[in-house]
Amino acid sequence: DQQVKQNSPSLSVQEGRISILNCDYTNSMFDYFLWYKKYPAEGPTFLISISSIKDKNEDGRFTVFLNKSAKHLSLHIVPSQPGDSAVYFCAASAYYGGSQGNLIFGKGTKLSVKP
Amino acid sequence: KAGVTQTPRYLIKTRGQQVTLSCSPISGHRSVSWYQQTPGQGLQFLFEYFSETQRNKGNFPGRFSGRQFSNSRSEMNVSTLELGDSALYLCASSVRGHEKLFFGSGTQLSVL
Repeated sequence: DQQVKQNSPSLSVQEGRISILNCDYTNSMFDYFLWYKKYPAEGPTFLISISSIKDKNEDGRFTVFLNKSAKHLSLHIVPSQPGDSAVYFCAASAYYGGSQGNLIFGKGTKLSVKP
Repeated sequence: KAGVTQTPRYLIKTRGQQVTLSCSPISGHRSVSWYQQTPGQGLQFLFEYFSETQRNKGNFPGRFSGRQFSNSRSEMNVSTLELGDSALYLCASSVRGHEKLFFGSGTQLSVL
């Protein structure tokens, strides 16, 4: 049973426009969410995170929104650049037993930003 | 500060063989996690080690095992390889656990 779902395998956006990547989760115990970006032949790199006490976190062109009631988060990239073309993974974890549990990843969304 | 280093980058093995992958975490990081990435399956958690102890384990068969040394370096072993074990194996380190993970470039394992 997939606890973190990224229902769009791919997304194509024009340079300069907004990219919106979506992620849904089923486990209401998740309280920490992250987005990672992955280029081919490289490991994922951390992009931005948000804890469940917030509904928005911003870092430059990247903003993550969290809707706890809908169990949904999204990553907005504004403006999109060709260098943003990569696979984006959503990840979540829950705090239990005195520590943060392991990250559960979605299957990823491949973003293509066209010049 | 050097990043997470994984060796080797590429491996080709045949069914039935066993393989050992190595991971050197970022200096000062005591937690090492291993993930398997296959096409269309995202990153599947294998296990996490902290201070030489396995702290958490994913839903993988016992053929997958690991260990961590006193210098926080970690190894992962897969015995009796199957075709379905072909994947990118990623190691990630962090200071204490599953807060922000720093990933290595991975070891691409092909089982023929």
